[in-house]
Formats: sequence, C-alpha cells, structure tokens
Amino acid sequence: SQTIHQWPATLVQPVGSPLSLECTVEGTSNPNLYWYRQAAGRGLQLLFYSVGIGQISSEVPQNLSASRPQDRQFILSSKKLLLSDSGFYLCAWSVRGRLWGYTFGSGTRLTVV
Amino acid sequence: DAKTTQPTSMDCAEGRAANLPCNHSTISGNEYVYWYRQIHSQGPQYIIHGLKNNETNEMASLIITEDRKSSTLILPHATLRDTAVYYCIVTSSGSARQLTFGSGTQLTVLP
Repeated sequence: SQTIHQWPATLVQPVGSPLSLECTVEGTSNPNLYWYRQAAGRGLQLLFYSVGIGQISSEVPQNLSASRPQDRQFILSSKKLLLSDSGFYLCAWSVRGRLWGYTFGSGTRLTVV
Repeated sequence: DAKTTQPTSMDCAEGRAANLPCNHSTISGNEYVYWYRQIHSQGPQYIIHGLKNNETNEMASLIITEDRKSSTLILPHATLRDTAVYYCIVTSSGSARQLTFGSGTQLTVLP
C-alpha cells in the first residue's frame, strides 16, 4: 500500500533561519507531488507541484522553493524565513492524471518567531 | 476551474443525515465535482467525486442535479468524527494537474 511521510510534525524557527521540510512517498511510482500551506484560520494554498524529477511548478511567488531530487521525494526549502511563513504545511501525492484520491501527509506546523 | 459556492457553516445532529450543498453554475461539460474534507489539524481526505451520475461509496453519497449546476454531499448517519471542513471542488481532470481548495463548509456534528 502507498504511504506518505512528512516530517517534522512541528517546528519553531527564528526569523532569518533556513528551512527544509521533507516529504517521501512509498509504494508508488511517478506520483504527482504537491506542497500546500494553510495559514491560521485560512484555506489551503497550493505552493508547488511536481510531475517528475526536477520538474517544479510554482503557484505563488514567495520566499520558498521546492525540489524533487528523486521520484518519490519532495523538499520544501527557504534560505531565510519570514514571520509570514508560519503555517501548516502539507505534502500530498496523487496518481498522474487523477485528481481524485489525493493523499495528504500529516503536516508540519511551522512557527516562525 | 468552475467557481463553487458553499455555505460557510452548518450544524447536524449526531445520527442524522448531513446534507452539504454546493453551487457550481458555471461548470463545463468535462468538469468533475470532487469532495474532500479536512478534520482539524490534519490533511484533507478524499471523499467522493462524480461527473453527472449520482455516486455512492462507503463514506458518502453525491447527488448531482440534472443540469449539473449544483450538487449535494450526503453523509447518511453523521457522527461526531464527521465534524470537519468540507470542500467542494470542480475541475477538469484532463487539463488540471492540481486541486485548488476554497473556503469550504465547516460542518459541526452535535451530540
């Protein structure tokens, strides 16, 4: 069966510090991968999606970047965090060509102080 | 993607059916209706999707009107664990590679 792992669960980082969140998927090949963010009391915002290794599409200009070094690995990064980067970050995967059956990770709650 | 309109919040008594409406009057012929839900502090969970026929699975039923301009998600016997934000999303699986989540409906199941 397919599983998605996302870590850490919670993170407190000072302003200006770097960020690296990792997401890995098991039990499938060539998944579409996604990073979403949910600010407190707000809806889900799509940040990045990837349809293959090294292929990243950015939905919203921001202080963040994403990389996909391996087929089932998706990394969200920042060189210098801002207060506004605080939020709940969710990684998700889906089978290519299917928008049903998105599977989300358990999320990382990031607080920038 | 077609725009969707959902009520901001709804309450439902435990054990009763929860009927969550969604308006999508600008839906086009190749667009599907997807429903997801998000329990607090968790990632969204897929519930059901459909094109024009009514659909049912172990979680819920989806009723789509004949003109496809609106739909209703039905949870037949709501439990406290069904308290969540429910998202109705309309998009074409052929062209879109990602789902865009709106504000959704906060469903609160009351004991």
